[in-house]
Amino acid sequence: QQPVQSPQAVILREGEDAVINCSSSKALYSVHWYRQKHGEAPVFLMILLKGGEQKGHEKISASFNEKKQQSSLYLTASQLSYSGTYFCGTALNQGGKLIFGQGTELSVKP
Amino acid sequence: SQTIHQWPATLVQPVGSPLSLECTVEGTSNPNLYWYRQAAGRGLQLLFYSVGIGQISSEVPQNLSASRPQDRQFILSSKKLLLSDSGFYLCAWSVLDGSFFGQGTRLTVV
Repeated sequence: QQPVQSPQAVILREGEDAVINCSSSKALYSVHWYRQKHGEAPVFLMILLKGGEQKGHEKISASFNEKKQQSSLYLTASQLSYSGTYFCGTALNQGGKLIFGQGTELSVKP
Repeated sequence: SQTIHQWPATLVQPVGSPLSLECTVEGTSNPNLYWYRQAAGRGLQLLFYSVGIGQISSEVPQNLSASRPQDRQFILSSKKLLLSDSGFYLCAWSVLDGSFFGQGTRLTVV
């Protein structure tokens, strides 16, 4: 039931773009995205609901492809502050438990 | 506004000692509440999940237990800690439009 994230790690230069994917073998109700800095708690970025949608948050946006049961997080014109580990959390139904992927470590270099 | 309080931030306990971690939520009612554990450099393991007072779902068999005595209070306990219980413990809550973590408790069992 655990979603699968890819890639496991990515290194970028400032200003470059990245895509992080989150896939499930089961039909999802919602996908939640987080960023975690070292030693801190994860910070909520956005939630996407079934029905297929896209959301934007500054230069970070995400989409949810219900047919593929896959969500993608897009980071454009990356900044040093984007560094951290990105997690997706998925729920199979409304009010269902939230299960997390294994995380994607993103490093942005100057 | 909605906030989540988790304490203490750090804790060092001897093997065999009891544990009690508390989490309270403000600004929302009837949230889903979660306890996760994160080992160093690893993902978020769901330990317990609650949809209401007294309703606890245990995800991983271990020597930990959880209780929800009030709608916005979630407690993680152990009668006797093991070395393997060390980790970063995170309380989280979710509602329809998102999910949020407390600051976390870094537990070291010595």
